[in-house]
Amino acid sequence: ETGVTQTPRHLVMGMTNKKSLKCEQHLGHNAMYWYKQSAKKPLELMFVYNFKEQTENNSVPSRFSPECPNSSHLFLHLHTLQPEDSALYLCASSQVGTGIGTDTQYFGPGTRLTVL
Amino acid sequence: EDQVTQSPEALRLQEGESSSLNCSYTVSGLRGLFWYRQDPGKGPEFLFTLYSAGEEKEKERLKATLTKKESFLHITAPKPEDSATYLCAVQVYFNKFYFGSGTKLNVKP
Repeated sequence: ETGVTQTPRHLVMGMTNKKSLKCEQHLGHNAMYWYKQSAKKPLELMFVYNFKEQTENNSVPSRFSPECPNSSHLFLHLHTLQPEDSALYLCASSQVGTGIGTDTQYFGPGTRLTVL
Repeated sequence: EDQVTQSPEALRLQEGESSSLNCSYTVSGLRGLFWYRQDPGKGPEFLFTLYSAGEEKEKERLKATLTKKESFLHITAPKPEDSATYLCAVQVYFNKFYFGSGTKLNVKP
């Protein structure tokens, strides 16, 4: 596997279900991100992890719970979601540093989530 | 308030008809500006990073430029395979990125 992978690619869940999204990066990066992409809206940054430590949480509802066990893996645990949470969830990674050429985010293919 | 605005929202071109996409930004401090291409049902694919006003980057039919207030993505003699949504993102500090809504480009043969 190369780059950033995400599983599953598609997920349909009811409002009472609990599910998890998985992201893995094979780039040796030290930062990982979760974004939400809804139709005709800009990508919304949800969570950021640097060296496994959460550094950003952009007022995301508690029904979304991130987990980062190491610098290569990132999870998004979902429970009691609402229909408006249906969207494409994108994972990204980057190498946070001070030099030119760092910080570029590389994205996975996304998980298309539908909440019924 | 930090903000990134892309225009136009959608653009239809004939094959070979050159044009430009715009990304204007209002941020407290620019660390970098990024251009991505996104195909339907896929994640954004990295194209360019620009760091300072006056900088230019080129790749095949694409050329990105940067001023203190905006960036342009110039597409020269586009082909149908250039059809995609082009996203602009601004980095304001290490992990803080703001994205525009994108420009959906459709190139007709």
